[in-house]
Amino acid sequence: EVQLVESGGVVVQPGGSLRLSCAASGFTFDDYTMHWVRQAPGKGLEWVSLISWDGGSTYYADSVKGRFTISRDNSKNSLYLQMNSLRTEDTALYYCAKDKGKGDYFDYWGQGTLVTVSS
Amino acid sequence: EIVLTQSPATLSLSPGERATLSCRASQSVSSYLAWYQQKPGQAPRLLIYDASNRATGIPARFSGSGSGTDFTLTISSLEPEDFAVYYCQQRSNWPLYTFGQGTKLEIK
Repeated sequence: EVQLVESGGVVVQPGGSLRLSCAASGFTFDDYTMHWVRQAPGKGLEWVSLISWDGGSTYYADSVKGRFTISRDNSKNSLYLQMNSLRTEDTALYYCAKDKGKGDYFDYWGQGTLVTVSS
Repeated sequence: EIVLTQSPATLSLSPGERATLSCRASQSVSSYLAWYQQKPGQAPRLLIYDASNRATGIPARFSGSGSGTDFTLTISSLEPEDFAVYYCQQRSNWPLYTFGQGTKLEIK
């Protein structure tokens, strides 16, 4: 059974930093591209970032480019999101999502970790 | 950026009725469109990918159609567990994935 478990969400002040983690199990982690997708309270879904199976390629939404960094450790079956220069508009539930393949749709999602940016 | 516009924003129907949800793209996405279902307090679930393919474990009452800029998700006969928010998503403009704003399917 595929499982994705996010952690690391907290309340942080504007301008602060945070690192989210996602622990994956139930599938061959290093076969798949992985994503972060976020959802602001009461709002819709926004794709944030993706990383290729080997970590060699990363992409970001314009809204986070230059501030967020996605990474993975295939030896630990883990995905990460380093978030710097946080803004109030980054407040959201952050989901880790597995790609169906290598640049496809999101076929499994974690339950999310809540990041609140507030003074 | 490809903008996806879903309609209606809210759809009120009764169990057993047929639901038709629409997603329109600002430019052609070919067949690179998916539908997700999200229930309160839960993560989204992939229902349909590449416009018309049901994901693993998805009941046959869910079907998708369309190509280019106009897409439809149809639920043939609503079950009580189908009342949720539905999102469309495109991957045509990879890696700049975008989602629609959602359609809330509520019990009438």
